[in-house]
Amino acid sequence: KNQVEQSPQSLIILEGKNCTLQCNYTVSPFSNLRWYKQDTGRGPVSLTIMTFSENTKSNGRYTATLDADTKQSSLHITASQLSDSASYICVVTDRGSTLGRLYFGRGTQLTVWP
Amino acid sequence: EADIYQTPRYLVIGTGKKITLECSQTMGHDKMYWYQQDPGMELHLIHYSYGVNSTEKGDLSSESTVSRIRTEHFPLTLESARPSHTSQYLCASDGGSHIQYFGAGTRLSVL
Repeated sequence: KNQVEQSPQSLIILEGKNCTLQCNYTVSPFSNLRWYKQDTGRGPVSLTIMTFSENTKSNGRYTATLDADTKQSSLHITASQLSDSASYICVVTDRGSTLGRLYFGRGTQLTVWP
Repeated sequence: EADIYQTPRYLVIGTGKKITLECSQTMGHDKMYWYQQDPGMELHLIHYSYGVNSTEKGDLSSESTVSRIRTEHFPLTLESARPSHTSQYLCASDGGSHIQYFGAGTRLSVL
């Protein structure tokens, strides 16, 4: 069964600190992996997308890494801000279907305190 | 900011009512999707469309129906709402870039 597991489930950090969120997946065959940020009561917004051949991708203070061999990804947030408080969702696409089926993790709820 | 809109944002209705959740996008995307998301849980695909007059059911069984008469419009209808339908419904579209753009969602409460 294709699955995407994220850890930790929730995380509280102080403003200005760094943090790393983890994503492990079993989706195969793999097409791409994306990290989304979902603010409370809003739809998810794409942060990064990585294909099989990409190991790292940055978007401002967000840096995502991908190890396709171990099927692991991480999202590193540098110098956190209050506005970073949100749910971060890992999404993996299945290359084996015409739809390009997406498999969603449950997200990591990040809270940044002043 | 993606141009995909959902209305209403919040809806509280009684059991047995018929409702339609609206979703529109102005990006000309062929692929559109409906997801259901409960608090703290992952998104579940309930319907998708590859284009006009194309609709398919997703992974999660749903009593809702959808239509795609125009490229930009992908409404979702519940003929008879029940408390078990209480959830957040998210609409998304994809123009072929493998990036799905999401609307803000409709939070539905059925009493």
